[in-house]
Amino acid sequence: DAGITQSPRHKVTETGTPVTLRCHQTENHRYMYWYRQDPGHGLRLIHYSYGVKDTDKGEVSDGYSVSRSKTEDFLLTLESATSSQTSVYFCAIGPPGSYEQFFGPGTRLTVL
Amino acid sequence: AQTVTQSQPEMSVQEAETVTLSCTYDTSENNYYLFWYKQPPSRQMILVIRQEAYKQQNATENRFSVNFQKAAKSFSLKISDSQLGDTAMYFCAFMRAEVGGATNKLIFGTGTLLAVQP
Repeated sequence: DAGITQSPRHKVTETGTPVTLRCHQTENHRYMYWYRQDPGHGLRLIHYSYGVKDTDKGEVSDGYSVSRSKTEDFLLTLESATSSQTSVYFCAIGPPGSYEQFFGPGTRLTVL
Repeated sequence: AQTVTQSQPEMSVQEAETVTLSCTYDTSENNYYLFWYKQPPSRQMILVIRQEAYKQQNATENRFSVNFQKAAKSFSLKISDSQLGDTAMYFCAFMRAEVGGATNKLIFGTGTLLAVQP
């Protein structure tokens, strides 16, 4: 298994509170991604990173920000969580020269 | 923009039988990759099989094979000798083959929930 961990694995929070999800990899891969999974939508890309301090928006980026200060860590922040952000969040990494992505175990976030 | 459509929300198959999951996609790109991912109840996303659009030969991985029809933009997954452990959500996904492999963004379908019955 690719060395990808996500923390926390489960979180319940209240509307309006800030939330940060962490993705950590031990593979030293350049590309990292954040997806959210919702019933009827599959997985949708939120943000991605192609290097330290290099990030860009995905399909559903509104309400989310990301940061990558080290190769191994990619943080996803919800500045002010809303109920529509209740979802399962997946981090993925992409090896250079490969078109495959390897996924972390996911974080289930519930916003009440 | 690319889209991926899985028209079968749920399917069921008897153990040891064969089942085919459908996927269609829409793109104007000529170079791309197609994938099937499996998500069992553990929630882990597992890559099942990959197909390069420039290859005419259909990809196979043990009991899993695909029927790739580029002109029809169809990419179905066949599971032979179905096993109880195949019970999972299956996602079809598309990726442009960008020059330099720059961003490798995956576009997923909505998934097909497969239940293998004993």
